[in-house]
Amino acid sequence: QLVLTQSPSASASLGASVKLTCTLSSGHSSYAIAWHQQQPEKGPRYLMKLNSDGSHSKGDGIPDRFSGSSSGAERYLTISSLQSEDEADYYCQTWGTGLGVFGGGTKLTVL
Amino acid sequence: QVQLQQSGPGLVKPSQTLSLTCAISGDSVSSNSAAWNWIRQSPSRGLEWLGRTYYRSKWYNDYAVSVKRRITINPDTSKNQFSLHLNSVTPEDTAVYYCARAKYDSSFGAIDYWGQGTLVTVSS
Repeated sequence: QLVLTQSPSASASLGASVKLTCTLSSGHSSYAIAWHQQQPEKGPRYLMKLNSDGSHSKGDGIPDRFSGSSSGAERYLTISSLQSEDEADYYCQTWGTGLGVFGGGTKLTVL
Repeated sequence: QVQLQQSGPGLVKPSQTLSLTCAISGDSVSSNSAAWNWIRQSPSRGLEWLGRTYYRSKWYNDYAVSVKRRITINPDTSKNQFSLHLNSVTPEDTAVYYCARAKYDSSFGAIDYWGQGTLVTVSS
C-alpha cells in the first residue's frame, strides 16, 4: 500500500533554511510527488512537482527560495532565507493505481 | 490562469446528499491533459482525496475506497464545470471540500490549481 510519511512538525529561524522530508513507502521509491503549502486559514497552494531524479518544476509565482530534491524513497522540500509567511503546513501528494494519496503534513514554525 | 469557483450549501442534514459544483475558467473540463478532483480536509482526516473525473476519448472516474459506495463526480461540458455528490452523509463527512485540477505531463498529474474551499457541516 502506498503511504507518504511526513514528520508532524519542524522549526527554523527567520532567514535560515529548512529541509522537509516526505518518505514513500516500500516499493514506491520511483514515484514523483507534488508539494503543497497551506498557510493559516487558507486553502492549499501548489508549490512543485518533484521527480525521483530530483528534477522539479514549480508552480506559477513560486519563489526561487523553494527547491526540491530526491534521494531513494525520500523527497525533500528546501526553503531558504525563511520568511514569516513561510510558516505553514506543507503536504506531499502522489498517485497510486489511479488514486490520490496525501501525506499527513508537516507544520513549519518560523522562529 | 486557471480559476476554480466552488458553489453549494454549507449545511447538510444527516442521511441526505452533499452536492457541490466547481466552475472552471482558463481550461476545459474535457481537456485531454487534465483531471478534475474533489478533496476534503478535516482535523481528524487531514487532506483526503475523494475522486476525480477526466476525459481521454471517453469519460473516466476514479473514487477513493473510503467513499466509493457513496460518491459520484460528474462533468458538465455545457457549463464547463464538474460536480460532487456524496450521499448518506454523517457528521464524519463534515469537512472543508476543495475542487482541484491535476495537470498531466508524462504520467504524473500535478494538482496545480485549487478551488477556494467550502466548509460543509453535516448536522440536523
